Amino acid sequence: EVQLVESGGGLVKPGGSLRLSCAASGFTFSSYSMNWVRQAPGKGLEWVSSISSSSSYIYYADSVKGRFTISRDNAKNSLYLQMNSLRAEDTAVYYCARGGMIYGDDWFDPWGQGTLVTVSS
Amino acid sequence: DIQMTQSPSSLSASVGDRVTITCRASQGISNYLAWYQQKPGKVPKLLIYAASTLQSGVPSRFSGSGSGTDFTLTISSLQPEDVATYYCQKYNSAPRTFGQGTKLEIK
Repeated sequence: EVQLVESGGGLVKPGGSLRLSCAASGFTFSSYSMNWVRQAPGKGLEWVSSISSSSSYIYYADSVKGRFTISRDNAKNSLYLQMNSLRAEDTAVYYCARGGMIYGDDWFDPWGQGTLVTVSS
Repeated sequence: DIQMTQSPSSLSASVGDRVTITCRASQGISNYLAWYQQKPGKVPKLLIYAASTLQSGVPSRFSGSGSGTDFTLTISSLQPEDVATYYCQKYNSAPRTFGQGTKLEIK
């Protein structure tokens, strides 16, 4: 069974840092692109960042560029999101989601259960 | 960047009704369009990819169509379990933008 399990969320003060992890199982992790998506309380889905299977291609939403860093460790079947200079507007549930194996099939499926990040003093 | 606009933002319909949600891209995206369903308090779930391909396990009352800039998600006969918010997403290139969502309720 394909499974994605996020961890690392919590309460952090504005300006602080947090590192999210996503543990993958049930598929060949190193063959797929991966993604982070967030959802602020009561709001819609916002794409945050994507990374290709070999980490050759990395993309960020403008809202997090320069503050967040996506990475992966294919040996550990894990995806990461390092979040620095956090702001109140970064408060959200963060989901990791699997992308595709090749260009053109990058829909997001499946999604993890999410981890809540709260930025507040 | 390409914007994705869904309409309506919310919708109330009766069980058995045919329901249509539209998604418009500000520029052409060929058929690189996915639809997701998010039930209250749950994780988003892929319904349709490549604009019209039904994901495995999704009921056949769901269908998608369109190409270029205009896309539709149709539920042929609304069921109580379809209460959810539906999102479209372009995935051909970054940013992989989502629509703002359409909240579907039962009348």
